[in-house]
Amino acid sequence: GAVVSQHPSWVICKSGTSVKIECRSLDFQATTMFWYRQFPKQSLMLMATSNEGSKATYEQGVEKDKFLINHASLTLSTLTVTSAHPEDSSFYICSAGALAGGYEQYFGPGTRLTVT
Amino acid sequence: GDSVTQMEGPVTLSEEAFLTINCTYTATGYPSLFWYVQYPGEGLQLLLKATKADDKGSNKGFEATYRKETTSFHLEKGSVQVSDSAVYFCALSISGGYQKVTFGTGTKLQVIP
Repeated sequence: GAVVSQHPSWVICKSGTSVKIECRSLDFQATTMFWYRQFPKQSLMLMATSNEGSKATYEQGVEKDKFLINHASLTLSTLTVTSAHPEDSSFYICSAGALAGGYEQYFGPGTRLTVT
Repeated sequence: GDSVTQMEGPVTLSEEAFLTINCTYTATGYPSLFWYVQYPGEGLQLLLKATKADDKGSNKGFEATYRKETTSFHLEKGSVQVSDSAVYFCALSISGGYQKVTFGTGTKLQVIP
């Protein structure tokens, strides 16, 4: 089946540093990938939609200069949290859309970011 | 805008009890409906889906029927197990291309032996 991986699964960084999270579709090509953020005991909030080879579309209220998204290939999208602060600590989840799946999205296992 | 409303949790059941988690939606288009499950410390997994009215999605003993007349997609299972303990999210996506998934707030289920 369609598998999506994320790396790292867990990262701790110091305030002011940048962190990059990778999202890969392992056995299919994903022209569209989505990045979500999940706060403790809450639902997922869509941050942005990225299409391969073009700029990401950010949801209202999401700082595009802080959350840099790159979708350079059909199997890889990256989210970089720049100048991270403790309030950026969260669970970040990506999903990838597969054409063969009738536009269904397949979710990665998530990355837990802790900023100290 | 599109939205999903699901019953608040947590829901605590004894093993082998019957489970219902209510979910209703509002959508401007004609949505596909999903139930996702998130086990502790893990990401989301698609549990089941339905793409048109009266469709029944089923998986692992869970079922949900797409009811257009009541705009509902309630999740049911006849006999829950301890291993079903997780957070369940109802969600929708408008058909026609890669549209974002709109999630409900999630319902935590705890099954006790």
